[in-house]
Amino acid sequence: AQKITQTQPGMFVQEKEAVTLDCTYDTSDPSYGLFWYKQPSSGEMIFLIYQGSYDQQNATEGRYSLNFQKARKSANLVISASQLGDSAMYFCAMSPVQGAQKLVFGQGTRLTINP
Amino acid sequence: DTGVSQDPRHKITKRGQNVTFRCDPISEHNRLYWYRQTLGQGPEFLTYFQNEAQLEKSRLLSDRFSAERPKGSFSTLEIQRTEQGDSAMYLCASSPGGTTYEQYFGPGTRLTVT
Repeated sequence: AQKITQTQPGMFVQEKEAVTLDCTYDTSDPSYGLFWYKQPSSGEMIFLIYQGSYDQQNATEGRYSLNFQKARKSANLVISASQLGDSAMYFCAMSPVQGAQKLVFGQGTRLTINP
Repeated sequence: DTGVSQDPRHKITKRGQNVTFRCDPISEHNRLYWYRQTLGQGPEFLTYFQNEAQLEKSRLLSDRFSAERPKGSFSTLEIQRTEQGDSAMYLCASSPGGTTYEQYFGPGTRLTVT
């Protein structure tokens, strides 16, 4: 079974600062993917970034980067130069790369960017 | 390329009534997923289709729930004899499959059972 743990229920950050959202995971699958999604108050889940378990380099997408530490089973999301529009719920998720590839989500972290 | 669409966006129903939701995935995405999200929680997997075949169902999907994807394009999720515990956001996602693993979500259908 797979499990995602997000220990920060809420984070408050000043605009333009960098922010790190924590995510740890547990799985017995040899190959897996790690994902981050953003959910604004409108409710839609927006895909941000993906990291494969065998990828040698940490994934980056614009202002988003995923700090993947396989031995520690952590996959933290780093947002550089935060903007007011980054205020939202953020979910870490994982899936095996075989079979249904269904996503297992954490509880989420609510990020608030202050002006 | 249009995104995943869901209809309706909101549904209010009385306990005991049947409801049906529709999901239109991104065209040519052969994988389609349904998730349920309750307040303050992350989404939970309900069921998965590859083309028209329903390949996996969660234990969360009681016998009151049924899902179809008859032609491998749009999908419907029906809940019979709704209960107040069914109140949640129902999210649909699609993925092209192969070596592309990310899933793209629709806006969701918020169900309120009174």
